[in-house]
Amino acid sequence: AQSVTQLGSHVSVSEGALVLLRCNYSSSVPPYLFWYVQYPNQGLQLLLKYTTGATLVKGINGFEAEFKKSETSFHLTKPSAHMSDAAEYFCAVNPRAGGTSYGKLTFGQGTILTVHP
Amino acid sequence: DTGVSQNPRHKITKRGQNVTFRCDPISEHNRLYWYRQTLGQGPEFLTYFQNEAQLEKSRLLSDRFSAERPKGSFSTLEIQRTEQGDSAMYLCASSTTGAPEQYFGPGTRLTVT
Repeated sequence: AQSVTQLGSHVSVSEGALVLLRCNYSSSVPPYLFWYVQYPNQGLQLLLKYTTGATLVKGINGFEAEFKKSETSFHLTKPSAHMSDAAEYFCAVNPRAGGTSYGKLTFGQGTILTVHP
Repeated sequence: DTGVSQNPRHKITKRGQNVTFRCDPISEHNRLYWYRQTLGQGPEFLTYFQNEAQLEKSRLLSDRFSAERPKGSFSTLEIQRTEQGDSAMYLCASSTTGAPEQYFGPGTRLTVT
């Protein structure tokens, strides 16, 4: 069964500092990988995805993530935090088999990012 | 592209009552998913449809829960005889066949008193 672990339920950074949110997955075959952001009382917005090809993927709002197969990781980074980045971030996986995707996403527990002025 | 929409956004009900939520997916998406999210947790999969067919149901989906997508467009999720443990955010998402990413609606927050 797939599982996703997000290290650190809360991360606090100063405005302008580097943001690093950690995600590790457990899967016999590297899955499709995603990061979503959730603002209070809202749904999830797709930040970025890794499906195939280049292992460093860029997303919206200046975020990027790197797929590292050897480490089974997909950490999310942003060079300079902005106050508007304060939200909850979820790492998610969708298993792959034979090049097709399956239905359900499996999510990590989430990391709440706080940005201090 | 108007995005995924969900109604109502908030629902407060008394224990034992039935509730129904609606999800309208992105128009060209043939896959539709339901998830449940409780406070401090990531979303958990409930069920999904490809067109009208319900292809998978989670063990989380007890007999009190039923979902339909009768014409392959919008979907409804009904909870019968609600319990306080059903209080959660119910999220709907949609995608195209073979595309692994899913797009989420704003959710319906259910409070059972």
